[in-house]
Amino acid sequence: DGGITQSPKYLFRKEGQNVTLSCEQNLNHDAMYWYRQDPGQGLRLIYYSQIVNDFQKGDIAEGYSVSREKKESFPLTVTSAQKNPTAFYLCASRSPLPEAFFGQGTRLTVV
Amino acid sequence: KQEVTQIPAALSVPEGENLVLNCSFTDSAIYNLQWFRQDPGKGLTSLLLIQSSQREQTSGRLNASLDKSSGRSTLYIAASQPGDSATYLCAVRRSGNTPLVFGKGTRLSVIA
Repeated sequence: DGGITQSPKYLFRKEGQNVTLSCEQNLNHDAMYWYRQDPGQGLRLIYYSQIVNDFQKGDIAEGYSVSREKKESFPLTVTSAQKNPTAFYLCASRSPLPEAFFGQGTRLTVV
Repeated sequence: KQEVTQIPAALSVPEGENLVLNCSFTDSAIYNLQWFRQDPGKGLTSLLLIQSSQREQTSGRLNASLDKSSGRSTLYIAASQPGDSATYLCAVRRSGNTPLVFGKGTRLSVIA
């Protein structure tokens, strides 16, 4: 089945820790995106990548980092510099139409 | 900067009712608009994609219209069912390569 796989579904982070969220797609899409969703707010763009080895900051990139070494993979690292990381994180890719497709999300909680 | 607004924020209707969800955007220079459904704790499922040259798109009981010049889109749901209960989000794209900009969504409850 073609789609976007995010893992893990739930993630717990201790204070001062870096954690990495995985996003893998087998849709052969060039562009991939990371969004953050908080209660009562819309989706806010963290980072996006149009092509392998290239990525751009979104509206709320501070405290996050990404890499795009393979077309299929776009991992997001939440660093200790992100002061309020508890949120629902969504990964997406874009077809040539263009149309966006999303993964099932990762819920990150600070403990 | 593009801003997307969805009204109402929440809506509760009895089963069988036809309903309309509204989406407005401040910059009419869009490439396309996409409607999504999100169930609690889940990712987004694409419902309808309308290109800027189109006026409407239909899928089953769903119909989305686009009036680009006035910066508005509506999602019409016919004969609503309890299974339609979810949050509905609209998002616009300025060009083929730019990211989507999202509204905050409308939380729909259909009561049996």
